[in-house]
Amino acid sequence: DAGITQSPRYKITETGRQVTLMCHQTWSHSYMFWYRQDLGHGLRLIYYSAAADITDKGEVPDGYVVSRSKTENFPLTLESATRSQTSVYFCASSESSSNQPQHFGDGTRLSIL
Amino acid sequence: QQQVKQSPQSLIVQKGGISIINCAYENTAFDYFPWYQQFPGKGPALLIAIRPDVSEKKEGRFTISFNKSAKQFSLHIMDSQPGDSATYFCAASSPWGNQFYFGTGTSLTVIP
Repeated sequence: DAGITQSPRYKITETGRQVTLMCHQTWSHSYMFWYRQDLGHGLRLIYYSAAADITDKGEVPDGYVVSRSKTENFPLTLESATRSQTSVYFCASSESSSNQPQHFGDGTRLSIL
Repeated sequence: QQQVKQSPQSLIVQKGGISIINCAYENTAFDYFPWYQQFPGKGPALLIAIRPDVSEKKEGRFTISFNKSAKQFSLHIMDSQPGDSATYFCAASSPWGNQFYFGTGTSLTVIP
């Protein structure tokens, strides 16, 4: 089925570990986004990508790394996880820009102990 | 600094009533104002969106009212149903890629 899928859905890890969250979309959308969702903050943009090999920082990029070697994949890596990065992470895509409807995955719930 | 301020934080409405959620913004460069609906365990889904060249947009029971001079926009849900119980987020963005901001969300409960 066409859509945007995130994996894993749930992840528990320890502080200092590296963890990668995966995002895959089947629409060939140009833009992809990573958000984190926390109570009292709504969703905050971490990084976005306008096309393969083009990425840029959002509102809260510190502690995160992204790459986009293929249009359909946009992994998010926490190089050394901290407790403050415990959150629900959402990947999204849009056809042409951030000013267009964004389609979200169902999220990854990440707990860092 | 919250780029988009949303209120109320939670809202309880009787079935058949009108639900109203408000948002305010400061950045006049914003030119796209969507509303997203989110159910537990799911990602947000686009509900309705407006651009500042119109003051109102209606899709079924959902209406966005937009006041450019006041830098405010609101979502009205007419004839609210229990199935509308969800969290609603307003958002605002500019044409530049990294300026996309969500409000803090409103938890709507529609009582049968």
